[in-house]
Amino acid sequence: AQSVTQLGSHVSVSEGALVLLRCNYSSSVPPYLFWYVQYPNQGLQLLLKYTSAATLVKGINGFEAEFKKSETSFHLTKPSAHMSDAAEYFCAVSEARTGNQFYFGTGTSLTVIP
Amino acid sequence: KAGVTQTPRYLIKTRGQQVTLSCSPISGHRSVSWYQQTPGQGLQFLFEYFSETQRNKGNFPGRFSGRQFSNSRSEMNVSTLELGDSALYLCASGRGSGTGELFFGEGSRLTVL
Repeated sequence: AQSVTQLGSHVSVSEGALVLLRCNYSSSVPPYLFWYVQYPNQGLQLLLKYTSAATLVKGINGFEAEFKKSETSFHLTKPSAHMSDAAEYFCAVSEARTGNQFYFGTGTSLTVIP
Repeated sequence: KAGVTQTPRYLIKTRGQQVTLSCSPISGHRSVSWYQQTPGQGLQFLFEYFSETQRNKGNFPGRFSGRQFSNSRSEMNVSTLELGDSALYLCASGRGSGTGELFFGEGSRLTVL
């Protein structure tokens, strides 16, 4: 069975500091991994995805994530936090064989301190 | 290109009632998934429909049901509402393969009193 663990339900960073949001997954087959962002009272927006191409994936708004198979991790980073990055971030995994059934982590709320 | 549209955005029901939520996917997308989001449980998968057939189902009681029409629009229904059903219900559309991303609507926020 697949699962996703996001370490840290709340993360606070200063504006301009590095953002690091952690995600570990378990999957019995090569996974497809995603990071989504959710702003208040809105749906989820895709930040980036890994689908077995390059292990370092670049997404929107300056975010990137690196797939590390040996560590079963897919951590999300951004070199310099902006106030507009404050939101809820979700890591998700899916397998092609299960169609579009995604498994989401519990989310990490990012606060950016001015 | 229009995004995923969910209606209604907000609704209030009382225990025992039933509710129907609607989702119009992005044009050309044949897969529609439904998720329940609550502060305590996070995002939980309800079910996925692809070409009018339920392809995957999560661990929810039979009170939760859905369907998909020939134009890919989908509805989900919750019968005999309970207080614990209060949540944000998110619909997501996709091309149908797990390798592709899901595109989410803004959700229907259900409050059960």
